[in-house]
Amino acid sequence: QVQLQESGPGLVKPSETLSLTCTVSGGSVSSGSSYWSWIRQPPGKGVEWIGYIYYSGSTSYNPSLKSRVTMSVDTSKNQFSLKLSSVTAADTAVYYCARAYKALVKNYYYYYMDVWGKGTTVTVSS
Amino acid sequence: DIQMTQSPSSLSASVGDRVTITCRASQSISSHLNWYQQKPGKAPNLLIYAASSLQSGVPSRFSGSGSGTDFTLTISSLQPEDSATYYCQQTYSTPLFTFGPGTRVDVK
Repeated sequence: QVQLQESGPGLVKPSETLSLTCTVSGGSVSSGSSYWSWIRQPPGKGVEWIGYIYYSGSTSYNPSLKSRVTMSVDTSKNQFSLKLSSVTAADTAVYYCARAYKALVKNYYYYYMDVWGKGTTVTVSS
Repeated sequence: DIQMTQSPSSLSASVGDRVTITCRASQSISSHLNWYQQKPGKAPNLLIYAASSLQSGVPSRFSGSGSGTDFTLTISSLQPEDSATYYCQQTYSTPLFTFGPGTRVDVK
């Protein structure tokens, strides 16, 4: 079955760019029904959807983060990535990658996040 | 943007109790509503998708209902392992798949 694993620096300085990669195993990042997503969770708070990227490169970003977010996909490595620029302490969080699966249910298409990575903690501090 | 609210924000119930969590959308989202369970230190886990479809491997004591703006997650007989935070999520409106604020469930 599909598994996801996040990787990247655990500490980022303020004003710099946070960069994370998610490696897909047990499946292909080029799957037509999969939208590769990033979600984060600040300490002690709820979950926030950051956005997703399709294998073709099309993206959808949270409007509140859109000016700072860039997602990319590398089909040759079966990976997708997140870059978040100009970070501040408010960007300190556990970052999860996940698959948003597009499924046909009762004649309509629905999205749901059925596979998640274990999460990686990113702290923004000098 | 579609806003999601959940009630209650937390609850405490006994083993065997029937528990209901409510999620409300600020506008109609048809049945584009998912429910997740998150235990401390773990990633969220999908329970229900499309408002009422049970994800494979999820115990049948979990069920979902609703459409439009009002949705419920029901645990028919609460078990000790159900202690967790539960989130609803709308996937009707891109570019923002909004999550609700969460409901913490404690099992006495």
